[in-house]
Amino acid sequence: GENVEQHPSTLSVQEGDSAVIKCTYSDSASNYFPWYKQELGKRPQLIIDIRSNVGEKKDQRIAVTLNKTAKHFSLHITETQPEDSAVYFCAARVSGNTPLVFGKGTRLSVIA
Amino acid sequence: DTAVSQTPKYLVTQMGNDKSIKCEQNLGHDTMYWYKQDSKKFLKIMFSYNNKELIINETVPNRFSPKSPDKAHLNLHINSLELGDSAVYFCASSQLRGYHEQYFGPGTRLTVT
Repeated sequence: GENVEQHPSTLSVQEGDSAVIKCTYSDSASNYFPWYKQELGKRPQLIIDIRSNVGEKKDQRIAVTLNKTAKHFSLHITETQPEDSAVYFCAARVSGNTPLVFGKGTRLSVIA
Repeated sequence: DTAVSQTPKYLVTQMGNDKSIKCEQNLGHDTMYWYKQDSKKFLKIMFSYNNKELIINETVPNRFSPKSPDKAHLNLHINSLELGDSAVYFCASSQLRGYHEQYFGPGTRLTVT
């Protein structure tokens, strides 16, 4: 089955700097790659997703890139703010009746 | 308007007891899931249900049993609770086919003493 690796497990950045989180997946049939943000004590919430027929997607300060050949995708957060501090999860899914497989999460701390 | 709701939010119980967690979604989704999040924050899929049929069952002890009375509900029953069952349990729902967001419930923090 699908396996998703996520790095780093923890990341500290100064406010205003950029943060990059990287994930790799194992199943070349995976075609949907969402990113979730989980604040302390809250539920995971979708912040951005990308499909396999797209190489990059942006939404304000957040962008995701996908390299299908290398089977990796990355989350980029620019101009980080303290409210970006949270645990971020990448995930992948093969089309059809399979659930999302999540990476192990990255704890991002933005230092003011 | 709560999309995915769970009850209770907190559950403290003793080893050996049997407990249930309820989940309801009002999004009209056809698939519901249960995830376990341990102290290291790993999100592990436990079950998924599509149209009242179990379609995925990971290597979860048979003390855990999902029950879906209808498409909008997926309850989790746990028998003979063990210390290692302490975790946060999240219910989620989505449409099965296509590229659809998976919505999570608020979570149930289970503590087994």
